[in-house]
Amino acid sequence: GQQLNQSPQSMFIQEGEDVSMNCTSSSIFNTWLWYKQDPGEGPVLLIALYKAGELTSNGRLTAQFGITRKDSFLNISASIPSDVGIYFCAALGGTSYGKLTFGQGTILTVHP
Amino acid sequence: DTGVSQDPRHKITKRGQNVTFRCDPISEHNRLYWYRQTLGQGPEFLTYFQNEAQLEKSRLLSDRFSAERPKGSFSTLEIQRTEQGDSAMYLCASSFLTSGGPIYEQYFGPGTRLTVT
Repeated sequence: GQQLNQSPQSMFIQEGEDVSMNCTSSSIFNTWLWYKQDPGEGPVLLIALYKAGELTSNGRLTAQFGITRKDSFLNISASIPSDVGIYFCAALGGTSYGKLTFGQGTILTVHP
Repeated sequence: DTGVSQDPRHKITKRGQNVTFRCDPISEHNRLYWYRQTLGQGPEFLTYFQNEAQLEKSRLLSDRFSAERPKGSFSTLEIQRTEQGDSAMYLCASSFLTSGGPIYEQYFGPGTRLTVT
């Protein structure tokens, strides 16, 4: 079935550093979404991408929809302690118009 | 504008019991989704509705699981004869379908944490 490979699995960084994480797949997707999840809560939508090659920003977050439609990356600039959490990529495509396929998540820890 | 709400937030049940969870989507959203998330994993799709019609079900949704959205507003997810492997976070999400085409952004609720003892 469709799978998303998200990396890295975890990151430990200092406050102020930039962060980059990505998702790859062997399948083509039509939409890429990035979410952040805090412990015990549901995922919160950060960025949505709809076109191959699209680069979208949301404050200190920037995400891109890969030109092959098989990958996406998320960058966080100048990290702050509240960026701590688990970041998930998710993608929609193929024969399903509702099912989001999620990556395994990247656990981000920011040291003050 | 209130977000997606889920009730209860936590449920502890004994193996073999039935449980039911409720999800209230964002008010103007006509699509509603159920996902399951186990520790250390991303959410896994279970099923979704467009208004009251159930359009897609995952193979994960065994015959012990049933979801309904009778009036196209709130939805319920029932698990019959619970097993320890059903312990997970059950997440609900909603999105908006317009005449111009679907908006694929899914907004999640806080989840219901199920523990089966």
